[in-house]
Amino acid sequence: DAGVTQSPTHLIKTRGQHVTLRCSPISGHKSVSWYQQVLGQGPQFIFQYYEKEERGRGNFPDRFSARQFPNYSSELNVNALLLGDSALYLCASSSKGLAGNTGELFFGEGSRLTVL
Amino acid sequence: KNQVEQSPQSLIILEGKNCTLQCNYTVSPFSNLRWYKQDTGRGPVSLTIMTFSENTKSNGRYTATLDADTKQSSLHITASQLSDSASYICVVSGPALMFSGGYNKLIFGAGTRLAVHP
Repeated sequence: DAGVTQSPTHLIKTRGQHVTLRCSPISGHKSVSWYQQVLGQGPQFIFQYYEKEERGRGNFPDRFSARQFPNYSSELNVNALLLGDSALYLCASSSKGLAGNTGELFFGEGSRLTVL
Repeated sequence: KNQVEQSPQSLIILEGKNCTLQCNYTVSPFSNLRWYKQDTGRGPVSLTIMTFSENTKSNGRYTATLDADTKQSSLHITASQLSDSASYICVVSGPALMFSGGYNKLIFGAGTRLAVHP
């Protein structure tokens, strides 16, 4: 079975542009979460979706938005890009969506965004 | 404030040696603690998951310990190999009721960068 797949793997944008990152979870997984990882730091939580509903949002501005489709794939959108948005964007899927569980979290390889 | 602190920030060891990485957290109440291995430019891969009732868990040459009273965890790597060179990230989760929406908010440490030299 395929793991979590993300696209594109690398992309370069300029300030003010918009970007859409895509994620396909492991087959059967209904939960997708997004993380931003700046070089040298741990991932920071952006969003979680479970059963196509937003279940949580981290401390990110409204320029960041996401959605989950009926097939449980997800998109992360970032508007009005800033230099500080340059990072590795990770998507993770899980078979369980709610907290308190020890469900395995599977990460994709990430999308490396560079903003010039 | 819920935080996860890891030490050391970076570590160099020789192939075949053992090492121990530390993780201290202030997340409360606490649900579970995870250790991930992340190769440069790749996504994290899970090594262990422990609930508050577990105090040790092994995965091959990796052994994680947890002391929920002192809010400390360690990851011990035995007989290191060159392929162990990576960042090791400690991740702590609080239970659903702590956070609105009932989602699994994971708090990541900054990681320890391990380099294993021949």
